[in-house]
Amino acid sequence: DIQMTQSPSTLSASVGDRVTITCRASQSIGSWLAWYQQKPGKAPKLLIYKASNLESGVPSRFSGSESGTGFTLTISSLQPDDFATYFCQQYNSFPRTFGQGTKVEI
Amino acid sequence: EMQLVESGGGLVQRGGSLRLSCAASGFTFSTYAMSWVRQAPGMGLEWVSAIFGGGTTTFYADSVKGRFTISRDNSKNTLYLQMNSLRAEDTAVYYCAKDPAGGATPFWGQGTLVTVSS
Repeated sequence: DIQMTQSPSTLSASVGDRVTITCRASQSIGSWLAWYQQKPGKAPKLLIYKASNLESGVPSRFSGSESGTGFTLTISSLQPDDFATYFCQQYNSFPRTFGQGTKVEI
Repeated sequence: EMQLVESGGGLVQRGGSLRLSCAASGFTFSTYAMSWVRQAPGMGLEWVSAIFGGGTTTFYADSVKGRFTISRDNSKNTLYLQMNSLRAEDTAVYYCAKDPAGGATPFWGQGTLVTVSS
């Protein structure tokens, strides 16, 4: 199984900060990676698919990038609505696997 | 507009069974792989099972293999998850999702809560 190692597990930041979350795959997954945002009691919301493609309706302050087996989600200027938990997911192969999550808090 | 609506969750005793359903609309259901993903209270996301569009190819997480069965009825645009021999550790919100197999854009439902009592 492909392991997804996500860091950090918790991130303290302020409005306006530039925030970076990383996921590293245990083996090559191509660009088959998605990023999700989840708020308490809600379903995960797709932000980025295929490593760097912004889902329709998602603000442009969110971006994704990749370098080998490393993937990065960047929020260029953190907004109050962005305080949430973020997950990465690889979909190169089954079983699909997720990162452990990053909680972005004030 | 794409929609996935899960149903069938609830409280069940350990060792019992439950069948979840997921009604799909707004896309050509039969052409997409579908998945179930779960999230235990306060925990991360765990992929459970997937099925390809034709319904004959399936995948399972080791934690549910032999106990859960995924299926679909393309004539009804509905995905199912039959859960048998339920354990306390199966307690979770179960999400139905359009799987990103083949480059499809993922899409998730709102989830249904399954609680297994001991």
